[in-house]
Amino acid sequence: EVQLVQSGAEVREPGESLKISCKGSGYNFTNYCIGWVRQMPGKGLDWMGTICPSDSTAKYSPSFQGHVTFSVDKSISTAYLQWSSLKASDSAIYYCARPVDHGGNYYFDYWGHGTLVTVSS
Amino acid sequence: DIVMTQSPDSLAVSLGERATINCKSSQSVFYSSDNKNHLAWYQQKPGQPPKLLIYWASIRESGVPDRFSGSGSGTDFTLTISSLQAEDVAVYYCQQYYSSPPKTFGQGTKVEIK
Repeated sequence: EVQLVQSGAEVREPGESLKISCKGSGYNFTNYCIGWVRQMPGKGLDWMGTICPSDSTAKYSPSFQGHVTFSVDKSISTAYLQWSSLKASDSAIYYCARPVDHGGNYYFDYWGHGTLVTVSS
Repeated sequence: DIVMTQSPDSLAVSLGERATINCKSSQSVFYSSDNKNHLAWYQQKPGQPPKLLIYWASIRESGVPDRFSGSGSGTDFTLTISSLQAEDVAVYYCQQYYSSPPKTFGQGTKVEIK
C-alpha cells in the first residue's frame, strides 16, 4: 500500500527556520517525484513544486521560488520542505503528494495527511 | 500561468439530485502530442487531504463511484455528480497539469446538501 507519512504540526516565530518531512512507503521511492501543495486557512490549493529523488531535480512555482527549498534523502525515502526565515503568511497546511508519472509532470494520485505550520509571535 | 476558474463557488443540491461543477482554463490544456486533456478533479472533505477523482478530464480513478463523471475539452470542463449522496459533501477542485510550473488548481467549489 502506497503511503506518504508527514511530520507533525509545528509552531514557530517569524524569522525562524523550519524543515518538515514526508516519508514514502509501499513503492519504489526513487522512481516517483514528490510534490508539495499549500493550503492556507480556509483557502484553496496552491501547487508549490516537485522534487524527483532520482536526481534531486526540483521544479518550483514562481510564487514560491527563493522562499522554500525542497530536498530529498533517498536512503530513508524521505522528502523535505524547508524555510530559512518564516513569515506569518507561511501559516498553512502543507501536503506532500505523489505525481502519477515518473517525471512529476502529471496529477497527484497519493497524498499525505498534511502538516500544519503555524507562524506566530 | 494558466488560470483555472471554477463556477459556482458553492452550490446546494438535494439528495439524489444532480450536481454540476464547471472549470474553465485561461488557455487550452489539450496536448496534441498525446491527444489528451491534462485536467484532473479532486475531492476534499473537511479535515482530510484531497482525493483524486478524475484524470485526463474524464477517466475515473479506481474505486471512485460511477456517479462521478468528467467531461469537456480544450478550455471548458465539467464534473458531474449524477445523484448526490450525503458523503459527497466536500470541496471539489480542478487542476491543470499541462503547463510548466505551476500546475494550477481552481479556487474550489463547495458542495452542500439542500
